[in-house]
Amino acid sequence: SQKIEQNSEALNIQEGKTATLTCNYTNYSPAYLQWYRQDPGRGPVFLLLIRENEKEKRKERLKVTFDTTLKQSLFHITASQPADSATYLCALDSASGGSYIPTFGRGTSLIVHP
Amino acid sequence: EAQVTQNPRYLITVTGKKLTVTCSQNMNHEYMSWYRQDPGLGLRQIYYSMNVEVTDKGDVPEGYKVSRKEKRNFPLILESPSPNQTSLYFCASRATGGAWNKNTEAFFGQGTRLTVV
Repeated sequence: SQKIEQNSEALNIQEGKTATLTCNYTNYSPAYLQWYRQDPGRGPVFLLLIRENEKEKRKERLKVTFDTTLKQSLFHITASQPADSATYLCALDSASGGSYIPTFGRGTSLIVHP
Repeated sequence: EAQVTQNPRYLITVTGKKLTVTCSQNMNHEYMSWYRQDPGLGLRQIYYSMNVEVTDKGDVPEGYKVSRKEKRNFPLILESPSPNQTSLYFCASRATGGAWNKNTEAFFGQGTRLTVV
């Protein structure tokens, strides 16, 4: 069956360090992979999208890599700040009936300590 | 401003009393979806809709109904709510299609916290 795995344990890091979050998947052939940020009690907010033929994508302090051979995406936040503390979700698209349906991982909580 | 609007934000109801959570988007998106989120379980898809009058079950559809009579609206209906439907609900929308340069990010509503007693 299809599965998306994100580390369920919270990631605790010190301010200024680089946070690296992992998303692994099985039995998917995703055309896209997306990362979202979710704050407690609020809806997820889109951060970055990377396509299957792209190895890396950057946006300000964010970087995403996508390795379709390893079936893995890494999400990096450089120079992390306490305001980056949130839960980060990865989402995969797979083709269904000609359109793409996103499925979300359970998310990893990031806590940045001052 | 592009947005997905859910109402109500908070709702406490009793077992068996029918309720509807509304969802509306202003981006002319074809695809809309309902999720529920419970601690430790992440976002689980309830129903989705590819376009007007096209709906399909997600992973946890039991006890829920939806309709898509207009492109902008996708209400979630609980005909006979039960306590196990106490959860945080999110509506989402996105443009669909596999065009290479198409932005396919999902936009989420602000959430509806439902308590069934």
